[in-house]
Amino acid sequence: RKEVEQDPGPFNVPEGATVAFNCTYSNSASQSFFWYRQDCRKEPKLLMSVYSSGNEDGRFTAQLNRASQYISLLIRDSKLSDSATYLCVVGRPNDMRFGAGTRLTVKP
Amino acid sequence: GAGVSQSPSNKVTEKGKDVELRCDPISGHTALYWYRQSLGQGLEFLIYFQGNSAPDKSGLPSDRFSAERTGGSVSTLTIQRTQQEDSAVYLCASSLVAIGTEYGYTFGSGTRLTVV
Repeated sequence: RKEVEQDPGPFNVPEGATVAFNCTYSNSASQSFFWYRQDCRKEPKLLMSVYSSGNEDGRFTAQLNRASQYISLLIRDSKLSDSATYLCVVGRPNDMRFGAGTRLTVKP
Repeated sequence: GAGVSQSPSNKVTEKGKDVELRCDPISGHTALYWYRQSLGQGLEFLIYFQGNSAPDKSGLPSDRFSAERTGGSVSTLTIQRTQQEDSAVYLCASSLVAIGTEYGYTFGSGTRLTVV
């Protein structure tokens, strides 16, 4: 089993839709959680950290469920510009692990 | 500069030649990571430097790969006797602390290596 697993997608949604991604992790000692966004042929860029209490940044909401060992990302009112691959990152000191990414395409 | 700088941005080399990739992290960032990403694939961890500690080399795929970080700043990744399967984008990232900052990593734009 991979340490960090994501549904690869692709998710194809219309503009304005709400879409959610999950990411499961196997190491219960993981301490830090992030969502990154990667556009085609570009480097990953930090989208948001994921805090234990859950956090929101505009249309994006991230949540952590330690008991079930997953994190989630919810995108509301999706825009064409949200089309990208979303990577979850889970780790602890000296050991960060990337998921393989979930591809999202938002269509007009 | 303000970001992580990598050079060259593109490198085409002949099979069997050595290549050296460079990463300039954000000033003051103590942690530096190298990853590689093959076309359409996820990120593969290669090596991690944190301050003056011994690097974590557990991700290096073979002894043809080595990396160093001089003066706690610039890092070079060297691939000896390159093979076609080494073709990938090599990404460098830095962060202020090893992990756990709310800012996460900042990635460079990568070096696209093609071995022909």
